[in-house]
Amino acid sequence: GGIITQTPKFLIGQEGQKLTLKCQQNFNHDTMYWYRQDSGKGLRLIYYSITENDLQKGDLSEGYDASREKKSSFSLTVTSAQKNEMAVFLCASILWGAFAEQFFGPGTRLTVL
Amino acid sequence: AQKVTQTQTSISVMEKTTVTMDCVYETQDSSYFLFWYKQTASGEIVFLIRQDSYKKENATVGHYSLNFQKPKSSIGLIITATQIEDSAVYFCAMREGQGYQNFYFGKGTSLTVIP
Repeated sequence: GGIITQTPKFLIGQEGQKLTLKCQQNFNHDTMYWYRQDSGKGLRLIYYSITENDLQKGDLSEGYDASREKKSSFSLTVTSAQKNEMAVFLCASILWGAFAEQFFGPGTRLTVL
Repeated sequence: AQKVTQTQTSISVMEKTTVTMDCVYETQDSSYFLFWYKQTASGEIVFLIRQDSYKKENATVGHYSLNFQKPKSSIGLIITATQIEDSAVYFCAMREGQGYQNFYFGKGTSLTVIP
């Protein structure tokens, strides 16, 4: 078994601030994802990384940067937080090449004042 | 156009009854994978069950089963003998093709199990 951890659990920022969210997994999975979940909507892909040092943009990448420092960790940066923004950011991972399900972290809830 | 559609926004059922949640998907691929996830009130998302498109037999795990109707591009989730702790939001998802980005999620169905 394994686990995905996300830090922080709650993140409150100011408009225009640069904010970083972190994700760690000990599944030894190759591929990792960042999704954004807004109330009443499905999950939307921001960035994904097939393997260490790889970065791929999803449909919602504008306004975000990502970094895959090592196989077990994947960070997401909100480059300039938007006022009144509120969403949950979810990290997920899968084995490379495996048509398997994604495992999700507990999420980071972002509030921008 | 949405690739995965869940038309039921919310459902309420009595405890110990059976509930079915609907999901339809859209794909041109001959091989694809369908998943159901559960998101609890705490926000945790848990994988429940999957169906591979090439398999004719409906998947079953515990008190979860699927109603896979390939000609209708439909994958319903059936929960039998519902329990209070089944109250959650249920997401249907599809993975198609070879691309790692090709996971698509529905908007979710909120299930309330009434004691």
